[in-house]
Amino acid sequence: EDQVTQSPEALRLQEGESSSLNCSYTVSGLRGLFWYRQDPGKGPEFLFTLYSAGEEKEKERLKATLTKKESFLHITAPKPEDSATYLCAVQGVSGTYKYIFGTGTRLKVLA
Amino acid sequence: EADIYQTPRYLVIGTGKKITLECSQTMGHDKMYWYQQDPGMELHLIHYSYGVNSTEKGDLSSESTVSRIRTEHFPLTLESARPSHTSQYLCASSEWGREVDTQYFGPGTRLTVL
Repeated sequence: EDQVTQSPEALRLQEGESSSLNCSYTVSGLRGLFWYRQDPGKGPEFLFTLYSAGEEKEKERLKATLTKKESFLHITAPKPEDSATYLCAVQGVSGTYKYIFGTGTRLKVLA
Repeated sequence: EADIYQTPRYLVIGTGKKITLECSQTMGHDKMYWYQQDPGMELHLIHYSYGVNSTEKGDLSSESTVSRIRTEHFPLTLESARPSHTSQYLCASSEWGREVDTQYFGPGTRLTVL
């Protein structure tokens, strides 16, 4: 069964304190792994798509990496405005286009 | 930048009322989706569409119905709202024919049924 597990559930960082969020996945053939940012009461905002192991993508203070079993979202020198829930999702090759979402990591960056 | 819109953003309604949540996208995407999300929980797919006149139920059982008469429009209807329908409803769309489908989300509708 396809599954996505994100850790930690919640993370508090001081401004400037770099860290990483983890997304472990089990899928019968990976088409893509996706990272989203979600602010309270809003829809998820697309960040990255990763297609294959070894791939990396960067956007401002965020860097996403992918292995065959997990993905990391590295946050370098975070700012309070980076506070949000970060969601991971995978899409398998099963023939449908459904996403499997994790429950997210709630990030709080303190000034 | 994704151009996908949902109305209303917030809705408080009494039990037994019929409601329609609107979703529109201007990107010409073939695929559209409805998700339900409760606080602190993952997104659950309740309906999806691969194109005009194509709709399917998702993984989470829902008493809602959808229609897809136009590419850009994917409304969700609850014939008789109940308190158990209280949730955040998110609409998304994705582009057909690419190596992988990247879904873009609307701002959501927060529904409260009293």
